[in-house]
Amino acid sequence: DQQVKQNSPSLSVQEGRISILNCDYTNSMFDYFLWYKKYPAEGPTFLISISSIKDKNEDGRFTVFLNKSAKHLSLHIVPSQPGDSAVYFCAASTSGSARQLTFGSGTQLTVLP
Amino acid sequence: DAGITQSPRHKVTETGTPVTLRCHQTENHRYMYWYRQDPGHGLRLIHYSYGVKDTDKGEVSDGYSVSRSKTEDFLLTLESATSSQTSVYFCAISGHGQGASNEQFFGPGTRLTVL
Repeated sequence: DQQVKQNSPSLSVQEGRISILNCDYTNSMFDYFLWYKKYPAEGPTFLISISSIKDKNEDGRFTVFLNKSAKHLSLHIVPSQPGDSAVYFCAASTSGSARQLTFGSGTQLTVLP
Repeated sequence: DAGITQSPRHKVTETGTPVTLRCHQTENHRYMYWYRQDPGHGLRLIHYSYGVKDTDKGEVSDGYSVSRSKTEDFLLTLESATSSQTSVYFCAISGHGQGASNEQFFGPGTRLTVL
């Protein structure tokens, strides 16, 4: 039973356009959400996070939106660049859980030049 | 980048043999984690540690054991490797202190093949 779901295994976007990656969760106790980026043969790297007390967090070209009522979060990348091509994982955690993260299955983003 | 190394980076072994993977950190972080990554599953938590000699099971702990005798080292052992344990294994660390966020920092991974 996956508590964090990324229903799109892959996404292709033209360079310069917006990339939108989606993530849904089922556990209402999750109160902190993160996005990681992963290149082949490397470990995941932290990208951006959001606490459940917020509905938006921005960091340069990356913005994460959280809709708690829908149990949905999304990552927007604007403008998309070829170097953004990677697998993106969303993750969620609950307070006091030894910072355990529950990951989605990932979305392969390909940015076409 | 957080100072995390994993060894070995690649290993091929045979079914039934014991295997130990090592994670070493230089950040003095309290929490350490072992994940496996498989296609269609993302990263799944195997075991984690919240201090020296303090460990607990994760989502997919069967067939694995861990030990943490020093802050900087977290060992993952497959007592008797099986083909289903062929995977990429990632170690991660997380900060300590009340103000620390839930971010985890990952090592480069170990690709394990069990024949």
